[in-house]
Amino acid sequence: DGGITQSPKYLFRKEGQNVTLSCEQNLNHDAMYWYRQDPGQGLRLIYYSQIVNDFQKGDIAEGYSVSREKKESFPLTVTSAQKNPTAFYLCASSRTDREGGAGELFFGEGSRLTVL
Amino acid sequence: AQSVTQPDIHITVSEGASLELRCNYSYGATPYLFWYVQSPGQGLQLLLKYFSGDTLVQGIKGFEAEFKRSQSSFNLRKPSVHWSDAAEYFCAVGPSSYKLIFGSGTRLLVRP
Repeated sequence: DGGITQSPKYLFRKEGQNVTLSCEQNLNHDAMYWYRQDPGQGLRLIYYSQIVNDFQKGDIAEGYSVSREKKESFPLTVTSAQKNPTAFYLCASSRTDREGGAGELFFGEGSRLTVL
Repeated sequence: AQSVTQPDIHITVSEGASLELRCNYSYGATPYLFWYVQSPGQGLQLLLKYFSGDTLVQGIKGFEAEFKRSQSSFNLRKPSVHWSDAAEYFCAVGPSSYKLIFGSGTRLLVRP
């Protein structure tokens, strides 16, 4: 079955440590996204990538970094510079506008990061 | 400023009763409009979307939504709620998949 796989599902980190969240998709989508979700809030966009080797900052990119070396993979690193990293992180993918079907996001099951 | 408002944080309905979840948006033009559902600890799943055309949109799981341009609303409805519909529902609007704005969500509780 095609879909998006995020790992790990749960992650604990000490303050001052960087941590990388994995996101892999086999939907052959060009575009991939990382969102952050906090209780009582909607999703906020961290980074997105429309094509391999290119990505753009979203609304809350500070303290995060990404790479897009392969079409299938879009890992997110939460750095020690992120002041409040405890949250639920969601990866998503979509077709790009030029492919049609723009707008529909397909989500992974999320990774919950807790900073101790 | 562009924004999405879901005025109800929680809604409780009895199983078999009808449901309406509200979504209002502020946007310069008619954006793409979406409703997503999230079960606890899971990712989001698309229920339905509106791009253009018929303002009453049918989605999965028996849900529908109506776009009302004059009211800047895109309310989600279901005629008869099932216990499995208990989840959190998010409205999202935007000009493209790269610029979606999500509402803060409405948590639906279903009484047996």
